[in-house]
Amino acid sequence: KAGVTQTPRYLIKTRGQQVTLSCSPISGHRSVSWYQQTPGQGLQFLFEYFSETQRNKGNFPGRFSGRQFSNSRSEMNVSTLELGDSALYLCASMHGPQSYKPGWDEAFFGQGTRLTVV
Amino acid sequence: SQQGEEDPQALSIQEGENATMNCSYKTSINNLQWYRQNSGRGLVHLILIRSNEREKHSGRLRVTLDTSKKSSSLLITASRAADTASYFCATRTGANNLFFGTGTRLTVIP
Repeated sequence: KAGVTQTPRYLIKTRGQQVTLSCSPISGHRSVSWYQQTPGQGLQFLFEYFSETQRNKGNFPGRFSGRQFSNSRSEMNVSTLELGDSALYLCASMHGPQSYKPGWDEAFFGQGTRLTVV
Repeated sequence: SQQGEEDPQALSIQEGENATMNCSYKTSINNLQWYRQNSGRGLVHLILIRSNEREKHSGRLRVTLDTSKKSSSLLITASRAADTASYFCATRTGANNLFFGTGTRLTVIP
């Protein structure tokens, strides 16, 4: 089956602009999580969506937002970009709530979107 | 803040040697997972161990979990150059999302 697709792969934006990143999860997966990865901070959890509802949110400012559509595809938006927002943004796809079913709790990642803010 | 801390931050070994990475976490977990990342690409799931398990094997991978010490270790036996990557532990709690550790950068020298 198809993997997790993130678009675009690379993006260059100017400070103050906004950006929207997209993630299409694995078919049948209803949970999508977003992570920001930087050399200094490592992998930081942004938020998680399940069945179009945000269930968890990390410690990021309100400039970071997201949503999930009925087909489980998710978008994240960053407004008023700052230089420090330059990072690799990763999307993770999972089935949903935890379960003891084999393979249920594994996350499948997209290749990420490399955002550079200049 | 991140749930896990990994040790060492970087590890360099010769091909054929074993590599051991450690992960410590802070709160109770439902399961702990290990992932690999090559050169800033997406993460790939390696192995999952549940809180009621103590050891698990998958091919050349061996994972242990000590919930009393809130720690886990990943052993890669007979390492290969292709194992060169960053390795992350991730914990899943009742909140459902995964929290990742800081990662160990493994270099396997041919």
